[in-house]
Amino acid sequence: DSGVTQTPKHLITATGQRVTLRCSPRSGDLSVYWYQQSLDQGLQFLIQYYNGEERAKGNILERFSAQQFPDLHSELNLSSLELGDSALYFCASSVTSRFEETQYFGPGTRLLVL
Amino acid sequence: AQSVSQHNHHVILSEAASLELGCNYSYGGTVNLFWYVQYPGQHLQLLLKYFSGDPLVKGIKGFEAEFIKSKFSFNLRKPSVQWSDTAEYFCAVNAASNSGYALNFGKGTSLLVTP
Repeated sequence: DSGVTQTPKHLITATGQRVTLRCSPRSGDLSVYWYQQSLDQGLQFLIQYYNGEERAKGNILERFSAQQFPDLHSELNLSSLELGDSALYFCASSVTSRFEETQYFGPGTRLLVL
Repeated sequence: AQSVSQHNHHVILSEAASLELGCNYSYGGTVNLFWYVQYPGQHLQLLLKYFSGDPLVKGIKGFEAEFIKSKFSFNLRKPSVQWSDTAEYFCAVNAASNSGYALNFGKGTSLLVTP
């Protein structure tokens, strides 16, 4: 157990819908990263937040957005869902946002869009 | 373009065989290197990491990796695999030149260890 929690574990929804994925970092970690794991694209970085502010963006679609709240938990919002958004979404956390740090991963949320 | 390549997508070994999984990256400058493992149905767990210093890094469960800067490689090794090593293995890199230091992952290698 890494100490990073994610809810829900599984999510099934329909095309065009909107969902929210939640992540709670390890106690004391200020930085949260979101990654998407799909069969064709592999593991891809989406977005990072550090202490409530957006720090870096990766291959995140405009239909997707995220935020980090004062208690440091983070939410990833996915809207206008398409079949191709079906994937495993991981969040990871680290203490700060320094270069030499380890990211610890949560168990993931498996999203299925029908 | 910056990328991480894992040469073997699927590997099948018998128990007690030796393992070497290849990883090459194409980033310039200073990098940190990681190997993560994902057991069936579980989250990514850190096996080992290289930040600086001794290029031969020892991790958990008897795994080790060697950073060869001239070859841009960070291969994972284990002298004798066990059935419980069956999992997906991911090499990851973060580069000092990238903002936020997000991890860039290889496509992964699926390892099956047969009894």
